[in-house]
Amino acid sequence: QVQLQESGPGLVKPSETLSLTCNVSGGSMSTYYWSWIRQPPGKGLEWIGYIHHSGDTNHNPSLKSRVTISMDMSKTQFYLRLTSVTAADTAVYYCAGNRELFDPWGRGSLVIVSS
Amino acid sequence: DIVMTQSPDSLAVSLGERATINCKSSQSVLSNSNNRNSLAWYQQKPGQPPRLLFYWASSREFGVPDRFSGSGSGTDFTLIISSLQAEDVAIYYCQQYYSPPFTFGPGTKVDIK
Repeated sequence: QVQLQESGPGLVKPSETLSLTCNVSGGSMSTYYWSWIRQPPGKGLEWIGYIHHSGDTNHNPSLKSRVTISMDMSKTQFYLRLTSVTAADTAVYYCAGNRELFDPWGRGSLVIVSS
Repeated sequence: DIVMTQSPDSLAVSLGERATINCKSSQSVLSNSNNRNSLAWYQQKPGQPPRLLFYWASSREFGVPDRFSGSGSGTDFTLIISSLQAEDVAIYYCQQYYSPPFTFGPGTKVDIK
């Protein structure tokens, strides 16, 4: 079965770029869409965006043009890049399989934005 | 954007009793293409990622106990736990996937009374 694992820096300075990697194992990356979702501490879930190996991508307009989602099938990884971060971007970031129904999920990666 | 609301914010139910969670969308999520409601339910236990419970409002994901049921159509949906067990303590979220941006409800926390 497909398993996902997020990795990346746990601390990012304000105005800098948040970069996360999701490692995919146990399945083919061409089978699914791949998504990012985040959850601020003690709060609800926010969809960030998705990508497909065909090049189909979409992201939440609330994040404006700060988001880039990419993938490298040869490494079985996909990526999240979020620029110009502020404290409001502090959250647990989850990677997940599928475009609309999110399953499976990674364990999540806490990213704190602080100087 | 489709705004999702849930009620109540939290509830405490005795073991073996029924728990009912409501979810409302700001517009219908009934798909014209397949006459199904693009509404999912997730369960999130402390320190864990969410787990998909239901899709198409009432289709139970594999492995979800049958004490859980999902229902509703259009803009109003319900998740019922017919006989609450200790392992059901969690926050439950509804989510619409009718149109992006895909949006979640704020969550309903379920505890034991």
